Amino acid sequence: DQQVKQNSPSLSVQEGRISILNCDYTNSMFDYFLWYKKYPAEGPTFLISISSIKDKNEDGRFTVFLNKSAKHLSLHIVPSQPGDSAVYFCAASDSWGKLQFGAGTQVVVTP
Amino acid sequence: NAGVTQTPKFQVLKTGQSMTLQCAQDMNHNSMYWYRQDPGMGLRLIYYSASEGTTDKGEVPNGYNVSRLNKREFSLRLESAAPSQTSVYFCASSERVEKLFFGSGTQLSVL
Repeated sequence: DQQVKQNSPSLSVQEGRISILNCDYTNSMFDYFLWYKKYPAEGPTFLISISSIKDKNEDGRFTVFLNKSAKHLSLHIVPSQPGDSAVYFCAASDSWGKLQFGAGTQVVVTP
Repeated sequence: NAGVTQTPKFQVLKTGQSMTLQCAQDMNHNSMYWYRQDPGMGLRLIYYSASEGTTDKGEVPNGYNVSRLNKREFSLRLESAAPSQTSVYFCASSERVEKLFFGSGTQLSVL
């Protein structure tokens, strides 16, 4: 049973607009959350993370929001650029340090 | 700066054949991992090694064995390949348990 869920397999957004990717989790023991980005024929690369003691973390155009009561996190990309077209994986870590990944969301940024 | 190197990049096996996927990292990380990626399933942990000389099962270890040859190298062996093992395999390493560095992957098809 997947403990980290990304219910939108794909997202299309116009260049310059905001991309919002969503992620839900079921395990209340998760205490660290991450987003990874993956281009075709490459491995995932770390994008941004957030600790469970925070509700927001920002890095340039990327912001991650965490709502612990709803067991929900989101990634905002503003403004979206063509190079942001990739698959984005949400991941969560428990106190043992093992990561659980979501199924991924394919983002396509159109001109 | 090579990072995490996996070989081979592509492999086709017949059911019942065996093979070893090789992985090496040059970042002096203690922890290494093997994941598989399947459509709609995200990345699932097969085995991991928290340090040289130790290995532990992940979420989907059946049908696989691993060897942590030294601090740099972590291999994954399929003793008798099955079609269900058709997947993309990623090796990763980390110093911090959450922030993983991935190789570029091995596309494996078992016929």
